[in-house]
Amino acid sequence: DIVMTQSPDSLAVSLGERATINCKSSQSVLYSSSNKNYLAWYQHKPRQPPKLLFYWASTRESGVPDRFSGSGSGTDFTLTISSLQAEDVAIYYCQQYYSNSFTFGGGTKVEIK
Amino acid sequence: EVQLVESGGGLVQPGDSLRLSCTISGFTFNSYWMHWVRQAPGKGLVWVSRINTDGKTTYYADSVKGRFTISRDNAKKTLYLQMNSLRAEDTAVYYCVRNRYSGSYLEAFDIWGQGTMVTVSS
Repeated sequence: DIVMTQSPDSLAVSLGERATINCKSSQSVLYSSSNKNYLAWYQHKPRQPPKLLFYWASTRESGVPDRFSGSGSGTDFTLTISSLQAEDVAIYYCQQYYSNSFTFGGGTKVEIK
Repeated sequence: EVQLVESGGGLVQPGDSLRLSCTISGFTFNSYWMHWVRQAPGKGLVWVSRINTDGKTTYYADSVKGRFTISRDNAKKTLYLQMNSLRAEDTAVYYCVRNRYSGSYLEAFDIWGQGTMVTVSS
C-alpha cells in the first residue's frame, strides 16, 4: 500500500498569516499517461463530514476560497492557506487515489495562534 | 440537492453483525462508484471499501476483508455495508462517500454523508 505521511501533525498560525501543510507519498502518485497526480486534499471540521478541497493535487473544488492552493507532483505535495481565517480551523488530510487502497495521510490540525 | 444519508449504526458486542445503509438523492446513483470510509475516535480517515456502478466489482481494506461486504441496490438508490464478526477496533464513524466523477473509478471523493457511529463493546 502507498503510505501517505503528513507534516506537521499540528500547527498554530496567526489570523491572516500563511499556513503550509506537507504530504509525502511512499511512491509516486503521478500517472504518466495522463500526467495527473492522483492526490486529493480534504478539510475536516468537528461534527461535519470531510470536504473535498483539491483533486489532481492542484485543481480547486468548486466553492473553495482561492486563499487555498494545492501544489506538488510525484511524491511531494503541499496545501497552502495564504491568509488564515477563523473558519479554516480544521484537520486537513491528503489522500492518494492512485492505487486501490485510497490511503489518507494522518492529518494536520490547524489552529489559531 | 445531492445527499447521502447513512443509517444502521449502533452499539453491538464483539462478534456481532450490523448492516449500514446509505440512501442517496440528487444524482444518478447507478453512474457512480461508491465507498465507505471510517474514522475511529480521535484517529484519522481510513478507506474501507468500494463498489462499482453495477455492484459486481468490489474492493476492501485488508483490515475488513472477509468480514465486511459492500453492496448496492440501484433501484432503491441505496448503498450497504454488511459488517460481520465485529471487533472493538471497528468502532468508528462510518461515512458513505461518492466518487467525484462518474466516468472513472480512480477519483477523489466529492460527496460525503454525515456518518453513522458504530460502537463495538462488551
